[in-house]
Amino acid sequence: DAGVTQSPTHLIKTRGQHVTLRCSPISGHKSVSWYQQVLGQGPQFIFQYYEKEERGRGNFPDRFSARQFPNYSSELNVNALLLGDSALYLCASSFWTSLNEQFFGPGTRLTVL
Amino acid sequence: ELKVEQNPLFLSMQEGKNYTIYCNYSTTSDRLYWYRQDPGKSLESLFVLLSNGAVKQEGRLMASLDTKARLSTLHITAAVHDLSATYFCAVDTGNQFYFGTGTSLTVIP
Repeated sequence: DAGVTQSPTHLIKTRGQHVTLRCSPISGHKSVSWYQQVLGQGPQFIFQYYEKEERGRGNFPDRFSARQFPNYSSELNVNALLLGDSALYLCASSFWTSLNEQFFGPGTRLTVL
Repeated sequence: ELKVEQNPLFLSMQEGKNYTIYCNYSTTSDRLYWYRQDPGKSLESLFVLLSNGAVKQEGRLMASLDTKARLSTLHITAAVHDLSATYFCAVDTGNQFYFGTGTSLTVIP
């Protein structure tokens, strides 16, 4: 079975630009979460979506937004990129049960110059 | 804001030895997770702990949860080189996921 997939793998942008990252969950999973992982740190929670609705939000500015589509795939958008947005962006999917075990994709490495 | 602290941050241990990684968190939660991350890779789910007193074991790793003490432990038995990685604990509050600082484990011959 395919795991969580993310695209693109790597991305280079300049300050002020915007970026869209994409995620496809494991088949049967209806919840998708997004995380930012800066080098040497633990992942920071950005959003969780379930059934196209935002169910959780971390402490990130409004420049960060996301949405979930009817097929449960998701996009993360970041506007007005800053140097500090350079990080590995991870997507995770889950069944949305009391277990809520998150399965992570390979990530998108974003570099902002 | 919930804080999740792990210690030690860095751990170098010899093959065959035992050690414990600690994960403390600052608010009530009944759901705690352990993940492994290899350099340049994504996170691999190791354990899901859902209640006080929960204990899970897989190979040389055993995880436990004490919700009253807000403490989880990851015990390593007879370490082998393949266990070298960064280990994260994570707490689910119901609408947010908080990861710990991570413990970078190196197992040396």
